[in-house]
Amino acid sequence: DVKVTQSSRYLVKRTGEKVFLECVQDMDHENMFWYRQDPGLGLRLIYFSYDVKMKEKGDIPEGYSVSREKKERFSLILESASTNQTSMYLCASSFPQGRRVGYTFGSGTRLTVV
Amino acid sequence: GENVEQHPSTLSVQEGDSAVIKCTYSDSASNYFPWYKQELGKRPQLIIDIRSNVGEKKDQRIAVTLNKTAKHFSLHITETQPEDSAVYFCAASKGGGGNKLTFGTGTQLKVEL
Repeated sequence: DVKVTQSSRYLVKRTGEKVFLECVQDMDHENMFWYRQDPGLGLRLIYFSYDVKMKEKGDIPEGYSVSREKKERFSLILESASTNQTSMYLCASSFPQGRRVGYTFGSGTRLTVV
Repeated sequence: GENVEQHPSTLSVQEGDSAVIKCTYSDSASNYFPWYKQELGKRPQLIIDIRSNVGEKKDQRIAVTLNKTAKHFSLHITETQPEDSAVYFCAASKGGGGNKLTFGTGTQLKVEL
């Protein structure tokens, strides 16, 4: 069974801190994604990556960056955390088009910025 | 970019009744439409999906229909049970299942005894 692991379930950080959210998958998936989930807004795509060292902006990339140095790991970085980044962050991975379909999500990291 | 609208935002049904959740999408190039179920405190899980070359797909009590002309798709759950209570998200993508998904805003389904 595919496993997508997010390093922290709950995180509390102070405004202005640099925050790292880690995501690791163990099924050799090429594609990895970071979403944030907010009530009434659904899941919004922050960044995604279709290959190692490749990254593309999603719909709401402002205030975030990512790193993908290894195929299994995709890190989301909040350069200077702000209170409006308080949210649930979900990582997902998948095979590319033409192979198996669908995302596998991690359990999520609930980040609170105070 | 793609925009996916989902209705209703909340839905309450009696056990045994049917539930229908509807989504519309904006990009006519989208060709893959999955539905995810998220139980309280858990990760979203894929429950059913449909591709643009198919009009309907069924899996036991759940079915999805797609109208490409109108750019809308729907999730149908029959004989609802309490364990169907969850948030349901529709999504759309171009190029297949592995590509980036644009999600709807979610529907909180409550199945009452």
